[in-house]
Amino acid sequence: QSVLTQPPSASGTPGQRVTISCSGSSSNLGSNTVNWYQQLQGTAPKLLIYSNNQWASGVPDRFSGSKSGTSASLAISGLQSEDEADYYCAAWDDSLNGPVFGGGTKLTVL
Amino acid sequence: QVQLQESGPGLVKPSQTLSLTCTVSGGSISSGNHYWSWIRQPAGKGLEWIGRIYTTGSTNYNPSLKSRVTISVDTSRNQFSLNLSSVTAADTAVYYCARDTARRGYCGGGTCYENWFDPWGQGTLVTVSS
Repeated sequence: QSVLTQPPSASGTPGQRVTISCSGSSSNLGSNTVNWYQQLQGTAPKLLIYSNNQWASGVPDRFSGSKSGTSASLAISGLQSEDEADYYCAAWDDSLNGPVFGGGTKLTVL
Repeated sequence: QVQLQESGPGLVKPSQTLSLTCTVSGGSISSGNHYWSWIRQPAGKGLEWIGRIYTTGSTNYNPSLKSRVTISVDTSRNQFSLNLSSVTAADTAVYYCARDTARRGYCGGGTCYENWFDPWGQGTLVTVSS
């Protein structure tokens, strides 16, 4: 069971806007910043968003991140077929004294 | 640009020690005030942080694995390594190494900890089986 909670799945059609949520607690999202990773099938995770809303190098601005209190979300606008992947949120946890991940959300582009 | 590559045995017997090395290329492991982390992912499951090391040798470990984990660094070879002892089938996973950036920031009027992994190695599958 993951420390951060994400919906197991999400879906959308090409061109649509989808959001993926991430819920935590005061010791992680409530105190520290959130990052988002994209994992395409069979590949290593890739940093998408860091420090709540900063784009990693080369990431299109169709991806955006936000955080409020103990919740965060990743929004993908203009959905494309190549966005089909698993998405993970992560944050430092002050109680664990280490980073924690969400369980991942599998995004399907219909 | 910095690249990371994991190496080590793909098969380890139960109760033995899993040993992996991550080789950093395209930059010095000692530059840039970065930590260097190990993360694993069992098949079909999520990501689990194992631990990290700074180039001074300072380490942080996941409390759930701390009693079995040792991470070391060899700056002369631009490598860092993972040893996980007394392995069981539950340790079967893809193991990733990653550069770990961490800093204190200011969030909503107070301080916060910013920490992210980039880049990652391609990962190596380690199976624990007799």
